[in-house]
Amino acid sequence: DGGITQSPKYLFRKEGQNVTLSCEQNLNHDAMYWYRQDPGQGLRLIYYSQIVNDFQKGDIAEGYSVSREKKESFPLTVTSAQKNPTAFYLCASRNQAGGPSGEQFFGPGTRLTVL
Amino acid sequence: SQKIEQNSEALNIQEGKTATLTCNYTNYSPAYLQWYRQDPGRGPVFLLLIRENEKEKRKERLKVTFDTTLKQSLFHITASQPADSATYLCALADSSASKIIFGSGTRLSIRP
Repeated sequence: DGGITQSPKYLFRKEGQNVTLSCEQNLNHDAMYWYRQDPGQGLRLIYYSQIVNDFQKGDIAEGYSVSREKKESFPLTVTSAQKNPTAFYLCASRNQAGGPSGEQFFGPGTRLTVL
Repeated sequence: SQKIEQNSEALNIQEGKTATLTCNYTNYSPAYLQWYRQDPGRGPVFLLLIRENEKEKRKERLKVTFDTTLKQSLFHITASQPADSATYLCALADSSASKIIFGSGTRLSIRP
């Protein structure tokens, strides 16, 4: 999975609880991304970060928060404000030095289920 | 709004035949287009990239075409094998590449 690790692989949460998904990369990539994937749908962008200590909202940021304190790490918190959090979450990184066409490297994903 | 469409129906192909997957887009002028493969329960893996000024790109048994007039890309797998069975995603990005937009993917099944 290209030097990106996500943990845990499966996560169960009770309604009303916040939960944090981990994403770590050792590829020395500047840009990191969080996507959500639902059955039969494409990847939808939640948040992205192009540099440490800076991040931008994607298309579906409501109910989520992120931080980028280190280049290697980009954790995603799913808050209780997210109304339908059950989904497959994917983290990715990209080497921006390769220019705008650089491919994204994805982690193995975390499947979050709200009980 | 920007939209990417891929065949929503699964594609079933006999082993050895050529599989052709379609990616159409609207309200977008991408600088390049990427194709990824995704196996069940795993993250996507990059396969090929084609730029807006390229008509065709090849890599082993894979071929991608990009028609900016039709706003369409075709992804071909020749001499298909059961191991090629997976979901294939197309993705578009503009020249700033701050964001990449993904299609919903097409599930391909190659039967022996």
